[in-house]
Amino acid sequence: GENVEQHPSTLSVQEGDSAVIKCTYSDSASNYFPWYKQELGKRPQLIIDIRSNVGEKKDQRIAVTLNKTAKHFSLHITETQPEDSAVYFCAASKGNAGKSTFGDGTTLTVKP
Amino acid sequence: EAGVVQSPRYKIIEKKQPVAFWCNPISGHNTLYWYRQNLGQGPELLIRYENEEAVDDSQLPKDRFSAERLKGVDSTLKIQPAELGDSAVYLCASSLDVGSDTQYFGPGTRLTVL
Repeated sequence: GENVEQHPSTLSVQEGDSAVIKCTYSDSASNYFPWYKQELGKRPQLIIDIRSNVGEKKDQRIAVTLNKTAKHFSLHITETQPEDSAVYFCAASKGNAGKSTFGDGTTLTVKP
Repeated sequence: EAGVVQSPRYKIIEKKQPVAFWCNPISGHNTLYWYRQNLGQGPELLIRYENEEAVDDSQLPKDRFSAERLKGVDSTLKIQPAELGDSAVYLCASSLDVGSDTQYFGPGTRLTVL
């Protein structure tokens, strides 16, 4: 089955700096890669996603890049703010098969 | 539009007791997922429903876990008997259909087994 590894497990940055979280996946058939933000005690919420026919996607301060050859994808957050502090999860799925395999999460702390 | 609803939000039980969790997906969403999230880890799929049919339950510990989705809307996940290692957050998610990838999560039920 699919295996998703996520790094780093914790990340601390100063407000205004950029943060990068990386994930690798094992199943070359995976074609959908969402990123979720989970604040303490709350539900995971989709913040951005990318499909395998696209190499990069951007939404304001958040961007995701995908390298299908290397089987890795990354989340980039620019101009970080304290409210960006949360746990971020990546996932990989085979689209229509519906099943997502999640990474173990990255705890991002943005220090004011 | 209401999101995915789950109840209860918290549950504390003694080991060997039964427990049940309820999920109401977003209206019109045909696909429903149950995940277990252990502390410090990502969600792990337990079972996925397409309408009322369980299409992926390979990760469900069938000796003690059961689930149902009667009429293809609400779903219930049951554990009987509960063990200490079952302490976790149980998340329900839904998506429009099998061709729609985006999953919307409920707030989860935090289960503590003593």
